Amino acid sequence: DGGITQSPKYLFRKEGQNVTLSCEQNLNHDAMYWYRQDPGQGLRLIYYSQIVNDFQKGDIAEGYSVSREKKESFPLTVTSAQKNPTAFYLCASSFRPGLAGGSSYNEQFFGPGTRLTVL
Amino acid sequence: AQTVTQSQPEMSVQEAETVTLSCTYDTSESDYYLFWYKQPPSRQMILVIRQEAYKQQNATENRFSVNFQKAAKSFSLKISDSQLGDAAMYFCAYRSYNNNDMRFGAGTRLTVKP
Repeated sequence: DGGITQSPKYLFRKEGQNVTLSCEQNLNHDAMYWYRQDPGQGLRLIYYSQIVNDFQKGDIAEGYSVSREKKESFPLTVTSAQKNPTAFYLCASSFRPGLAGGSSYNEQFFGPGTRLTVL
Repeated sequence: AQTVTQSQPEMSVQEAETVTLSCTYDTSESDYYLFWYKQPPSRQMILVIRQEAYKQQNATENRFSVNFQKAAKSFSLKISDSQLGDAAMYFCAYRSYNNNDMRFGAGTRLTVKP
């Protein structure tokens, strides 16, 4: 079955620790995204990547880092510099605009999310 | 930057009745895409319906339909014959034509009463 997986489902972090959230997709999508979801605020874009070995900052990239070494994988590291990391994190993927293989909508498909709590 | 506004933080509907969720957006672009996503208690985001801006005909998916008013920059979602399983957060989203940057509204929490 094709889809997006995120792990772990729940993650607890101590103050000052870096933690890495995993995101894997087997949909053959080129683009991948990380969002943060806080109550009452919808989804805010942290980082996105259109292609392997390339990624761009979103609206709230401070305190986060990513890598894109493989097409299928886009891990997110929450660093100690992120002052308020407790949130729900969603990973998504899509085809790139104009590329064959996807609909023109290039809608994003989402993983099940990771709930990060700082102790 | 484009912004998406959902003015109804919470809505409720009686089972089998119809409810409409509002969404407005701000953009200077002429070509774009609009989406409604559903997030049930499991928190899995599920695509409900989508609309291309250049298509005048409103999109329909079974009990879900939209009222797309391009000039008014409005994209409301109508749910007919509401079911208990429709209870969820609903997010309106905007995507520019030439890039994958998607903007989400703050969401509307829909409660369905039996």
